[in-house]
Amino acid sequence: DADVTQTPRNRITKTGKRIMLECSQTKGHDRMYWYRQDPGLGLRLIYYSFDVKDINKGEISDGYSVSRQAQAKFSLSLESAIPNQTALYFCATSDWQGSGANVLTFGAGSRLTVL
Amino acid sequence: GEDVEQSLFLSVREGDSSVINCTYTDSSSTYLYWYKQEPGAGLQLLTYIFSNMDMKQDQRLTVLLNKKDKHLSLRIADTQTGDSAIYFCAEKAGGGSYIPTFGRGTSLIVHP
Repeated sequence: DADVTQTPRNRITKTGKRIMLECSQTKGHDRMYWYRQDPGLGLRLIYYSFDVKDINKGEISDGYSVSRQAQAKFSLSLESAIPNQTALYFCATSDWQGSGANVLTFGAGSRLTVL
Repeated sequence: GEDVEQSLFLSVREGDSSVINCTYTDSSSTYLYWYKQEPGAGLQLLTYIFSNMDMKQDQRLTVLLNKKDKHLSLRIADTQTGDSAIYFCAEKAGGGSYIPTFGRGTSLIVHP
């Protein structure tokens, strides 16, 4: 089984619908992240969480919300999806302890298409 | 301007060396990374280098860091078709949230 599992892997929805992307991890890491990938734009950080009670906005949080239900689970919601939210979404985790490299472990991605 | 810049495409012939370049702006960067994304998959760490090092070698991969010019490169020797992927450069700044900042990614295309 993958260390970081994202569901669904693919989703097609319509404008205005509410969508939730889920992420679970078996790494035991405290830190979890949601990124969005668009062709030619690389990875942009949406939200991140350093522990269960911690939620922080990234550079492109507008139109998104998150929930950290447990150490192992971090979900991303689009309350009212719009076509420019069509993208590939990645969840990632890390176990950074205050020094060292803060290496991220990524899930396989969730491809979302908003019509 | 962008914090981490890299060219979008690189095309090489199988068996040649590939060199992917990256520039960054934060002089306090402590770690610099290369991640690889194969088609249909998430990113995986290839290698990283601490800012007090100039070079790191790992089998076919050589990372060079020029701190003065804020330039990072990844050399892949004897490039194979399986090396075709998107390669992301990232930096971890010395302060703040310590979250790596990624470049836009370089698509490496290896042709016979």
